[in-house]
Amino acid sequence: DQQVKQNSPSLSVQEGRISILNCDYTNSMFDYFLWYKKYPAEGPTFLISISSIKDKNEDGRFTVFLNKSAKHLSLHIVPSQPGDSAVYFCAASISSGSARQLTFGSGTQLTVLP
Amino acid sequence: IAGITQAPTSQILAAGRRMTLRCTQDMRHNAMYWYRQDLGLGLRLIHYSNTAGTTGKGEVPDGYSVSRANTDDFPLTLASAVPSQTSVYFCASSALPGRDEQFFGPGTRLTVL
Repeated sequence: DQQVKQNSPSLSVQEGRISILNCDYTNSMFDYFLWYKKYPAEGPTFLISISSIKDKNEDGRFTVFLNKSAKHLSLHIVPSQPGDSAVYFCAASISSGSARQLTFGSGTQLTVLP
Repeated sequence: IAGITQAPTSQILAAGRRMTLRCTQDMRHNAMYWYRQDLGLGLRLIHYSNTAGTTGKGEVPDGYSVSRANTDDFPLTLASAVPSQTSVYFCASSALPGRDEQFFGPGTRLTVL
């Protein structure tokens, strides 16, 4: 049973518009969340993170929102650019304990159309 | 080198053969990880090491072993490869276990026939 779910395998957006990528989790112990971006034939690269003590974190065109009661987070990209076309993975971790591992979602392929 | 390197880039392997995937980082990170990426399943943790000399099992450890003799190297060994181990393998590292941002290598594409 996947503890981190990205239910949309793909998303297409017009250049300049907003991209919204969604992620749901089931484990209420998760208290740190990250988004990674992955281009073909490359490893994932860190994009943005958020701690459970916050509900929003912003970095340039990228904003992550966290709704703890709904166990839901989203990544907003505004404005979207063709270079943003990639697979986006959300990940979650539990900060306590001896083995703090990341649990990844299955990814969403974002295509930004020029 | 800067960051994480993985070798080989790709490999085709006969079932039953032994294979070691290499991973080296030069960031002096304490923690290192091995993931496999499969379509529709995202990245799944195979093994991890919080510091040199220690290792632990992740979500899908069966059929794989790791060692962490020093800070920089974290090889992943398939003792007797099976077709279900066909995947893309990513090595990653982080300054601190789990919570910190993880840096990923470019991946090794492994095909077991």
